[in-house]
Amino acid sequence: DAGITQSPRHKVTETGTPVTLRCHQTENHRYMYWYRQDPGHGLRLIHYSYGVKDTDKGEVSDGYSVSRSKTEDFLLTLESATSSQTSVYFCATLDREKYGYTFGSGTRLTVV
Amino acid sequence: GNSVTQMEGPVTLSEEAFLTINCTYTATGYPSLFWYVQYPGEGLQLLLKATKADDKGSNKGFEATYRKETTSFHLEKGSVQVSDSAVYFCALSDVGGADGLTFGKGTHLIIQP
Repeated sequence: DAGITQSPRHKVTETGTPVTLRCHQTENHRYMYWYRQDPGHGLRLIHYSYGVKDTDKGEVSDGYSVSRSKTEDFLLTLESATSSQTSVYFCATLDREKYGYTFGSGTRLTVV
Repeated sequence: GNSVTQMEGPVTLSEEAFLTINCTYTATGYPSLFWYVQYPGEGLQLLLKATKADDKGSNKGFEATYRKETTSFHLEKGSVQVSDSAVYFCALSDVGGADGLTFGKGTHLIIQP
């Protein structure tokens, strides 16, 4: 998707290790979001940000933290990864003028 | 809180068949409603949206009408193609959208030639 880059695209990590996923946008959008996608659950909101250093919890925030030190970057950290955090993670931004959300291509995380 | 309910499928149709995917929602106030599509191995793409009651969103032959009286936003297409095979998500956001989207669980659509 134009303007949003997620990295890495794929990652395998061991239980108990810290993991950071990065979302980078070039659209200068104020609002950014992290979702996880799991079979049978659709997408669920983890954390979101409404500006630099302004973040809030979503529906499934336990075990996750986020940081936003620059408008363009929104980081999702799993402090100590667990197998239940194996999922596909999507970042999104909101263009409030057009009232449209744009999603990144996702990061597939496997915790073994 | 907000919630979205949609048929999960898989829904299997033959090419050129008529498609309906049901979506109902629960929300306070006047949410905006969306349909997103996800092709295998890809992210989500906005298919269509409606921001107020009785609005009809349309794109690529798909349509959905925001029905406040029945709290529904059913997706329809008159003649599906094999290339429409994907997972479809119904979603809503509160006014302004700052708090993000609430998604249904997704409907896997399979179109057979």
